[in-house]
Order: sequence, then structure tokens, then C-alpha cells
Amino acid sequence: ELKVEQNPLFLSMQEGKNYTIYCNYSTTSDRLYWYRQDPGKSLESLFVLLSNGAVKQEGRLMASLDTKARLSTLHITAAVHDLSATYFCAVSKWVYGNKLVFGAGTILRVKS
Amino acid sequence: SAVISQKPSRDICQRGTSLTIQCQVDSQVTMMFWYRQQPGQSLTLIATANQGSEATYESGFVIDKFPISRPNLTFSTLTVSNMSPEDSSIYLCSANKRETTQETQYFGPGTRLLVL
Repeated sequence: ELKVEQNPLFLSMQEGKNYTIYCNYSTTSDRLYWYRQDPGKSLESLFVLLSNGAVKQEGRLMASLDTKARLSTLHITAAVHDLSATYFCAVSKWVYGNKLVFGAGTILRVKS
Repeated sequence: SAVISQKPSRDICQRGTSLTIQCQVDSQVTMMFWYRQQPGQSLTLIATANQGSEATYESGFVIDKFPISRPNLTFSTLTVSNMSPEDSSIYLCSANKRETTQETQYFGPGTRLLVL
């Protein structure tokens, strides 16, 4: 069974600081996704990671994937208030019909 | 990116009634999914909507409670039947779409359901 664990579940940080959100999954997967959700909104796709060692960056966010450790990280550099949101990681596997299994989410609050 | 619309965007319903949620994708997609997000929680897959055949339900979800239709490659409906307050959630439709070299899964805006 595919399971996903995210930590921390809640993160309060000051503007300008760096931090990392961790996503562990239980079995090999084909894709790992990071999504952002603002309050009352739907999910916005941030990154899709496919292969070991994959690294993608968009603005102050950088995602990486270590398939051997079954670990992905979402690194936040020099946080700004606009990054406040809930971040979800999710994994999919073709043999499971490409459905997404989500982590619990990390609520990020950036204090100015 | 795929544009996915859902109707209604929100509704308040009485217990014992049923609500049908529509999901429209702006282009043909092979796979469509229905998720539920309970207040303050993560997303849980209800079922995969298969075009031309019955939906595939996840453990804990049954067709009698959540009948799904998928008449073509751009449209699906989810019905929440015989509703109770425990069904109050956000229901999200999603679809896999391949763009250039990458396939990703996009989400609709969600339907916020409150059952009284």
C-alpha cells in the first residue's frame, strides 16, 4: 500500500528565513507531486518529479527527489509572506492507476 | 495547463437529499478522478472515473453512495446520495494531462458542500 508522510504539519517562520518540508513515501512510485493550496482555493501544481536526483526550482521554492531514500524535499529560500499556504506532496504509481496518494499537508505561515 | 471547471461551486443541502456535481475539462483526457477533502484535512481519492465503464472505487467508498458517470473524455459527474452532515466536504475533480514531456494531474476549483 502506498502511504505518504509529510513533516512538519505546521510551520511558522519569519520572512527571510530558509526551511525545508519533508515528504516520505512507503513504496516505489512513478511520480512525486508538490501542490500548493491557498485557503478556500483548489490545488495549484508546483512540481512533478520523476527520477532520482531530480531537482526543480521555481522562484523561492526548490523540490528534490531521492528515490532510493523514498524522500522528497521542498526547500523554501528567504521566505516571503506570499508563500503562506498549505503545501501537499503526493505520489502516484502506474500500477495503482495513477491515482494520487496525498500527504497530510504542511501549513506554512510566514510572518512579516 | 488543463482548465477544469466544476458546478456547482458550493451548495447547502438538507440531509437525505442528493447532489450531482459536474466536472468539465477543456480537452480530452484519459483519466479523471474524484477526491474528497474534509475540513482541515488532506485529499482522499473517492474513485477513478473510467470512460465507457464503471468507476473504480477506493476502499470505504461505494457506488450506491457516490455514483459516477463518465460519458465522454471531457466530462464526468459525481453524485453524493442520501446525504448526511458527515458528507460536508470539498469535492474535487482532477484529470491527468500530458504537456510536452511531462504529465501532471490538475485539479478543478472544487465544490464546497454543507449538509444540514
